Amino acid sequence: SQQGEEDPQALSIQEGENATMNCSYKTSINNLQWYRQNSGRGLVHLILIRSNEREKHSGRLRVTLDTSKKSSSLLITASRAADTASYFCATTMVRRNEKLTFGTGTRLTIIP
Amino acid sequence: DVKVTQSSRYLVKRTGEKVFLECVQDMDHENMFWYRQDPGLGLRLIYFSYDVKMKEKGDIPEGYSVSREKKERFSLILESASTNQTSMYLCASSGGKYNSPLHFGNGTRLTVT
Repeated sequence: SQQGEEDPQALSIQEGENATMNCSYKTSINNLQWYRQNSGRGLVHLILIRSNEREKHSGRLRVTLDTSKKSSSLLITASRAADTASYFCATTMVRRNEKLTFGTGTRLTIIP
Repeated sequence: DVKVTQSSRYLVKRTGEKVFLECVQDMDHENMFWYRQDPGLGLRLIYFSYDVKMKEKGDIPEGYSVSREKKERFSLILESASTNQTSMYLCASSGGKYNSPLHFGNGTRLTVT
């Protein structure tokens, strides 16, 4: 079964707007990572947030983590056409450090 | 930059054939992984390896085996390909002990007819 579930499954916004994607997971984690996948390509790592962190920034990306709700959000500010991609959250669970488990992804479309 | 190279972008095989998917990384990473990606199911871990000649089963190892004879190369083997193994296969590597970001190849889209 999937550890992470992204919400929404698909999102379309106008260029320049902010995009928010959410990820929920089931069990306690060591860290949570976000990846991007352009159509037909491999995944690219975006950002990692540890279980003892609440917020992290990287350029136009902002990630939050709420371990009490077992959820994370990825915010992309001032979206660009090049941000069109699928976004996945992935978690490593406590006592299962070796396994990175992915969610099913959010398909983001930026409308020029 | 880390480069993870998968030998084929597209592959078409017949049911019952033995299929080899090859993956090579150039950053001396200890850890290598094979995932398959299917619509609506996300990425599912097939096998992973933390060292040469070492392998661990992931979530869906049935019908697959792996080989890691050299640190830079991790091969996925479909012993007898079946149509339900039609999928996108993604190889990844990471350095460090645990919790390191994964670096992915561009994937191999395998079709079994």
